[in-house]
Amino acid sequence: NAGVTQTPKFQVLKTGQSMTLQCAQDMNHEYMSWYRQDPGMGLRLIHYSVGAGITDQGEVPNGYNVSRSTTEDFPLRLLSAAPSQTSVYFCASKRTGGTDTQYFGPGTRLTVL
Amino acid sequence: QQPVQSPQAVILREGEDAVINCSSSKALYSVHWYRQKHGEAPVFLMILLKGGEQKGHDKISASFNEKKQQSSLYLTASQLSYSGTYFCGTADGGATNKLIFGTGTLLAVQP
Repeated sequence: NAGVTQTPKFQVLKTGQSMTLQCAQDMNHEYMSWYRQDPGMGLRLIHYSVGAGITDQGEVPNGYNVSRSTTEDFPLRLLSAAPSQTSVYFCASKRTGGTDTQYFGPGTRLTVL
Repeated sequence: QQPVQSPQAVILREGEDAVINCSSSKALYSVHWYRQKHGEAPVFLMILLKGGEQKGHDKISASFNEKKQQSSLYLTASQLSYSGTYFCGTADGGATNKLIFGTGTLLAVQP
């Protein structure tokens, strides 16, 4: 099992550009989520999904879009990148039960100039 | 709303003990503890369910008091490998059981 994979590992964007961060998991987990990590702020939930076709907002959803067309994939889209979106982004997956371990991908380091 | 962790940072010598606290303003169903090394993804340590159950993992254990909406992580006889940032994640037991993480506690263990 590859677990949770993310691409790219690093990305530099200019303000106003758009891009998609990719996330895939091969554990057949229903639940997938995106977090951003900034110094002193911990891990903040951006969006999450409990299954194909179902997504919802987390704590900091503004400026990001998601969709979930398959169980395996959960891409995160930045429509018009801003310097405030410079961060490390982690994708994670788990089963929907509250007792289940959440697995994180290796992260994408994004810089917006 | 993010759970609050304390302390924000702690420096230890090898062999010393530490306690990291996590508190929430919301009723909790479960608390999840993770450790993150610099430049890496968070790694799962343990899950605690409401019921006040204490869990252990080698010399790392944790407790959960759902009435106080608090959890504590206990690191005993710390080793250099314990260094990293510790996060608690809380789930409210709703339909999604989404995890909301605290701001983290930086732990540095020195020889």
